[in-house]
Amino acid sequence: AQSVTQLDSQVPVFEEAPVELRCNYSSSVSVYLFWYVQYPNQGLQLLLKYLSGSTLVKGINGFEAEFNKSQTSFHLRKPSVHISDTAEYFCAVISGGSQGNLIFGKGTKLSVKP
Amino acid sequence: DTAVSQTPKYLVTQMGNDKSIKCEQNLGHDTMYWYKQDSKKFLKIMFSYNNKELIINETVPNRFSPKSPDKAHLNLHINSLELGDSAVYFCASSQSLSAYNEQFFGPGTRLTVL
Repeated sequence: AQSVTQLDSQVPVFEEAPVELRCNYSSSVSVYLFWYVQYPNQGLQLLLKYLSGSTLVKGINGFEAEFNKSQTSFHLRKPSVHISDTAEYFCAVISGGSQGNLIFGKGTKLSVKP
Repeated sequence: DTAVSQTPKYLVTQMGNDKSIKCEQNLGHDTMYWYKQDSKKFLKIMFSYNNKELIINETVPNRFSPKSPDKAHLNLHINSLELGDSAVYFCASSQSLSAYNEQFFGPGTRLTVL
């Protein structure tokens, strides 16, 4: 069964510093990968997704992620974070075809400090 | 204009009661979902509906029953509530089941069972 592992449950970082949130997936078939953000007391919002094509994907709010098939990873990065980026970030996968339900990781809490 | 809305936002009730959570989307989407987010922020799919037909039922207890009166609504009815049902429940919708279509999430309903 497919699964998603987010290696860090919490990532504290200072404002304007770079950040990387790690995500690894397990699947032996083709995958579609997603990053969602959840701000406090809100629903989830799609940041970016990898479906096919270029392995470097750019999303909203200056975030980007790189699909690495050999390492089964889809790490999220931002070169300079803002206080407003403080939120919970979820990596998710759909595998075994282009339809199906999202399988989520357990989330990474990003805390940006002044 | 809220794309995916849920009512109520908060629901506090006693064990053994029956309750419903309503979800409406005004995006004209064909597919709707219910997710459960537990106290550790772990998100898991419960149901999805495509054109008013149940597509996925992820081994949730049969005390939970999704009901879709029309394509724009997917309500969640819960019988005989238990303490373990306490969680945040998110509704979502997408144009279809395809991974190429973004899922839009509602703001969530925080259910507390006492």
